[in-house]
Amino acid sequence: AQTVTQSQPEMSVQEAETVTLSCTYDTSESDYYLFWYKQPPSRQMILVIRQEAYKQQNATENRFSVNFQKAAKSFSLKISDSQLGDAAMYFCALKGANTGTASKLTFGTGTRLQVTL
Amino acid sequence: DVKVTQSSRYLVKRTGEKVFLECVQDMDHENMFWYRQDPGLGLRLIYFSYDVKMKEKGDIPEGYSVSREKKERFSLILESASTNQTSMYLCASSSPTTGGNEKLFFGSGTQLSVL
Repeated sequence: AQTVTQSQPEMSVQEAETVTLSCTYDTSESDYYLFWYKQPPSRQMILVIRQEAYKQQNATENRFSVNFQKAAKSFSLKISDSQLGDAAMYFCALKGANTGTASKLTFGTGTRLQVTL
Repeated sequence: DVKVTQSSRYLVKRTGEKVFLECVQDMDHENMFWYRQDPGLGLRLIYFSYDVKMKEKGDIPEGYSVSREKKERFSLILESASTNQTSMYLCASSSPTTGGNEKLFFGSGTQLSVL
Protein backbone atom coordinates (compact mmCIF):
# COMPACT_ATOMS: atom_id res chain seq x y z
CA ALA A 1 0.00 0.00 0.00
CA GLN A 2 1.10 3.54 -0.58
CA THR A 3 0.16 6.69 1.27
CA VAL A 4 0.53 10.41 0.67
CA THR A 5 0.30 12.93 3.50
CA GLN A 6 -0.20 16.67 3.17
CA SER A 7 -0.12 18.11 6.66
CA GLN A 8 -1.04 21.69 5.74
CA PRO A 9 -4.77 22.01 4.96
CA GLU A 10 -4.34 25.72 4.20
CA MET A 11 -1.51 28.06 3.39
CA SER A 12 -1.34 31.74 2.61
CA VAL A 13 1.27 33.74 0.71
CA GLN A 14 1.59 37.33 -0.36
CA GLU A 15 1.84 38.14 -4.01
CA ALA A 16 5.44 38.01 -5.28
CA GLU A 17 6.58 36.00 -2.26
CA THR A 18 7.68 32.37 -2.09
CA VAL A 19 5.74 29.56 -0.48
CA THR A 20 6.51 25.89 0.12
CA LEU A 21 3.86 23.20 0.31
CA SER A 22 4.78 20.00 2.13
CA CYS A 23 4.19 16.42 1.14
CA THR A 24 5.43 13.16 2.61
CA TYR A 25 4.75 9.73 1.26
CA ASP A 26 5.28 6.07 1.88
CA THR A 27 5.66 3.27 -0.62
CA SER A 28 7.23 -0.14 -0.70
CA GLU A 29 8.18 0.21 -4.36
CA SER A 30 11.75 0.97 -5.32
CA ASP A 31 10.75 2.95 -8.39
CA TYR A 32 7.94 5.46 -8.45
CA TYR A 33 6.80 8.86 -9.63
CA LEU A 34 5.65 11.90 -7.74
CA PHE A 35 3.35 14.64 -8.97
CA TRP A 36 1.86 17.94 -7.92
CA TYR A 37 -1.57 18.78 -9.36
CA LYS A 38 -3.34 22.11 -9.07
CA GLN A 39 -7.12 22.49 -8.83
CA PRO A 40 -8.21 26.09 -9.39
CA PRO A 41 -11.76 27.34 -8.66
CA SER A 42 -12.78 26.09 -12.10
CA ARG A 43 -12.27 22.60 -10.58
CA GLN A 44 -10.29 21.27 -13.54
CA MET A 45 -7.09 19.74 -12.19
CA ILE A 46 -3.90 20.32 -14.09
CA LEU A 47 -0.44 18.87 -13.70
CA VAL A 48 2.05 21.32 -12.23
CA ILE A 49 5.21 19.25 -12.01
CA ARG A 50 6.40 15.64 -11.83
CA GLN A 51 9.49 13.87 -10.55
CA GLU A 52 10.94 10.45 -11.26
CA ALA A 53 12.24 8.92 -8.06
CA TYR A 54 15.37 7.58 -9.73
CA LYS A 55 16.41 11.09 -10.72
CA GLN A 56 18.36 12.94 -8.08
CA GLN A 57 17.93 16.31 -9.72
CA ASN A 58 14.91 18.23 -8.52
CA ALA A 59 12.32 18.99 -11.19
CA THR A 60 11.64 22.60 -12.15
CA GLU A 61 8.89 24.17 -14.23
CA ASN A 62 9.22 27.94 -14.46
CA ARG A 63 8.24 29.35 -11.04
CA PHE A 64 7.52 25.88 -9.65
CA SER A 65 10.19 23.61 -8.26
CA VAL A 66 10.33 20.63 -5.96
CA ASN A 67 12.58 19.58 -3.13
CA PHE A 68 12.73 15.81 -3.39
CA GLN A 69 14.31 14.09 -0.39
CA LYS A 70 14.13 10.39 -1.19
CA ALA A 71 15.54 9.09 2.09
CA ALA A 72 13.11 11.22 4.06
CA LYS A 73 10.26 10.41 1.65
CA SER A 74 9.52 14.07 1.27
CA PHE A 75 8.39 15.92 -1.85
CA SER A 76 7.68 19.60 -1.26
CA LEU A 77 6.56 22.14 -3.85
CA LYS A 78 8.06 25.61 -3.93
CA ILE A 79 6.22 28.41 -5.71
CA SER A 80 8.34 31.47 -6.36
CA ASP A 81 7.07 34.94 -7.19
CA SER A 82 3.53 33.91 -6.25
CA GLN A 83 0.73 35.26 -8.43
CA LEU A 84 -2.99 35.63 -7.81
CA GLY A 85 -3.59 32.89 -10.35
CA ASP A 86 -1.68 30.45 -8.15
CA ALA A 87 -4.55 30.44 -5.66
CA ALA A 88 -5.90 26.90 -5.79
CA MET A 89 -6.00 23.53 -4.09
CA TYR A 90 -2.75 21.64 -4.57
CA PHE A 91 -2.58 17.87 -4.45
CA CYS A 92 0.51 15.76 -4.08
CA ALA A 93 0.29 12.32 -5.74
CA LEU A 94 2.32 9.14 -6.00
CA LYS A 95 2.39 6.34 -8.52
CA GLY A 96 4.43 3.19 -8.29
CA ALA A 97 6.26 2.22 -11.44
CA ASN A 98 5.11 -1.37 -11.11
CA THR A 99 1.41 -0.84 -10.51
CA GLY A 100 0.28 -2.46 -13.69
CA THR A 101 -1.40 -1.37 -16.84
CA ALA A 102 -2.83 1.96 -15.83
CA SER A 103 -1.76 4.96 -13.88
CA LYS A 104 -3.15 4.42 -10.40
CA LEU A 105 -2.31 7.56 -8.54
CA THR A 106 -2.60 7.89 -4.80
CA PHE A 107 -3.46 11.46 -3.83
CA GLY A 108 -2.93 13.41 -0.66
CA THR A 109 -5.72 15.36 1.01
CA GLY A 110 -4.71 18.66 -0.55
CA THR A 111 -3.46 22.07 0.55
CA ARG A 112 -5.54 25.14 -0.18
CA LEU A 113 -3.29 28.05 -1.12
CA GLN A 114 -4.47 31.63 -0.75
CA VAL A 115 -2.58 34.43 -2.43
CA THR A 116 -3.04 37.88 -0.91
CA LEU A 117 -2.18 41.32 -2.24
CA ASP B 1 -5.62 20.74 -26.24
CA VAL B 2 -6.97 17.60 -24.66
CA LYS B 3 -10.53 17.92 -23.60
CA VAL B 4 -12.23 15.78 -20.99
CA THR B 5 -15.90 16.63 -20.79
CA GLN B 6 -18.23 15.63 -17.99
CA SER B 7 -21.88 15.83 -18.90
CA SER B 8 -23.11 17.72 -15.85
CA ARG B 9 -21.48 20.25 -13.58
CA TYR B 10 -24.12 19.94 -10.88
CA LEU B 11 -26.61 17.14 -10.33
CA VAL B 12 -29.29 16.59 -7.69
CA LYS B 13 -30.82 13.14 -7.29
CA ARG B 14 -33.08 11.33 -4.87
CA THR B 15 -32.09 8.38 -2.69
CA GLY B 16 -32.59 5.14 -4.56
CA GLU B 17 -32.39 6.65 -8.04
CA LYS B 18 -30.11 5.17 -10.67
CA VAL B 19 -27.57 7.80 -11.64
CA PHE B 20 -25.38 7.98 -14.71
CA LEU B 21 -22.32 10.22 -14.87
CA GLU B 22 -20.86 10.55 -18.33
CA CYS B 23 -17.35 11.40 -19.37
CA VAL B 24 -15.98 11.88 -22.87
CA GLN B 25 -12.39 12.53 -23.94
CA ASP B 26 -11.26 13.61 -27.38
CA MET B 27 -7.61 12.52 -27.44
CA ASP B 28 -7.92 8.81 -28.10
CA HIS B 29 -6.57 7.98 -24.65
CA GLU B 30 -6.51 4.35 -23.62
CA ASN B 31 -6.87 4.96 -19.89
CA MET B 32 -9.85 6.52 -18.19
CA PHE B 33 -10.57 6.98 -14.50
CA TRP B 34 -13.30 7.95 -12.09
CA TYR B 35 -12.36 9.59 -8.80
CA ARG B 36 -14.45 11.04 -6.04
CA GLN B 37 -13.22 14.07 -4.14
CA ASP B 38 -14.30 14.77 -0.58
CA PRO B 39 -13.02 17.49 1.76
CA GLY B 40 -10.26 16.19 3.98
CA LEU B 41 -10.02 12.93 2.03
CA GLY B 42 -8.50 14.09 -1.23
CA LEU B 43 -9.19 12.09 -4.38
CA ARG B 44 -10.01 8.42 -4.18
CA LEU B 45 -10.09 6.11 -7.17
CA ILE B 46 -13.43 4.40 -7.82
CA TYR B 47 -12.82 2.54 -11.09
CA PHE B 48 -10.52 2.74 -14.03
CA SER B 49 -10.39 1.33 -17.53
CA TYR B 50 -7.37 0.71 -19.71
CA ASP B 51 -9.23 -0.37 -22.81
CA VAL B 52 -12.69 -0.64 -24.29
CA LYS B 53 -14.84 -3.04 -22.27
CA MET B 54 -12.03 -3.45 -19.72
CA LYS B 55 -12.42 -2.19 -16.20
CA GLU B 56 -10.74 -2.58 -12.87
CA LYS B 57 -11.82 -1.69 -9.38
CA GLY B 58 -10.09 1.14 -7.65
CA ASP B 59 -9.95 1.75 -3.92
CA ILE B 60 -13.64 2.44 -3.27
CA PRO B 61 -15.77 0.60 -5.88
CA GLU B 62 -18.65 -0.36 -3.57
CA GLY B 63 -21.96 1.03 -4.74
CA TYR B 64 -20.63 1.93 -8.18
CA SER B 65 -20.27 0.31 -11.57
CA VAL B 66 -18.81 1.54 -14.86
CA SER B 67 -19.26 1.08 -18.55
CA ARG B 68 -16.85 1.63 -21.41
CA GLU B 69 -18.43 0.62 -24.70
CA LYS B 70 -16.44 3.10 -26.76
CA LYS B 71 -12.90 4.29 -26.30
CA GLU B 72 -13.81 7.92 -25.80
CA ARG B 73 -16.60 7.42 -23.28
CA PHE B 74 -16.48 6.18 -19.70
CA SER B 75 -19.64 6.14 -17.64
CA LEU B 76 -19.99 5.88 -13.88
CA ILE B 77 -23.21 4.32 -12.62
CA LEU B 78 -24.71 4.58 -9.17
CA GLU B 79 -27.20 1.70 -9.16
CA SER B 80 -29.15 3.02 -6.18
CA ALA B 81 -27.94 6.41 -5.04
CA SER B 82 -27.44 6.95 -1.33
CA THR B 83 -26.73 10.10 0.65
CA ASN B 84 -23.17 9.01 1.37
CA GLN B 85 -22.50 9.20 -2.34
CA THR B 86 -22.95 12.96 -2.27
CA SER B 87 -19.58 14.12 -3.54
CA MET B 88 -17.56 15.69 -6.33
CA TYR B 89 -16.86 13.20 -9.09
CA LEU B 90 -13.86 13.71 -11.34
CA CYS B 91 -13.16 11.93 -14.58
CA ALA B 92 -9.65 11.70 -16.00
CA SER B 93 -7.89 10.19 -18.97
CA SER B 94 -4.33 9.40 -19.96
CA SER B 95 -2.26 7.70 -22.57
CA PRO B 96 0.14 5.13 -21.10
CA THR B 97 3.87 5.78 -21.35
CA THR B 98 6.70 3.29 -21.21
CA GLY B 99 8.01 4.85 -18.04
CA GLY B 100 4.68 5.12 -16.32
CA ASN B 101 4.81 8.80 -15.45
CA GLU B 102 1.94 9.72 -17.71
CA LYS B 103 0.03 12.91 -17.13
CA LEU B 104 -3.64 12.75 -16.27
CA PHE B 105 -6.11 15.07 -17.95
CA PHE B 106 -9.14 15.88 -15.85
CA GLY B 107 -12.66 17.04 -16.49
CA SER B 108 -14.24 19.87 -14.52
CA GLY B 109 -16.07 17.56 -12.17
CA THR B 110 -19.69 16.80 -11.36
CA GLN B 111 -20.94 17.88 -7.95
CA LEU B 112 -23.56 15.29 -7.10
CA SER B 113 -26.03 15.81 -4.28
CA VAL B 114 -28.18 12.88 -3.19
CA LEU B 115 -31.17 13.93 -1.12
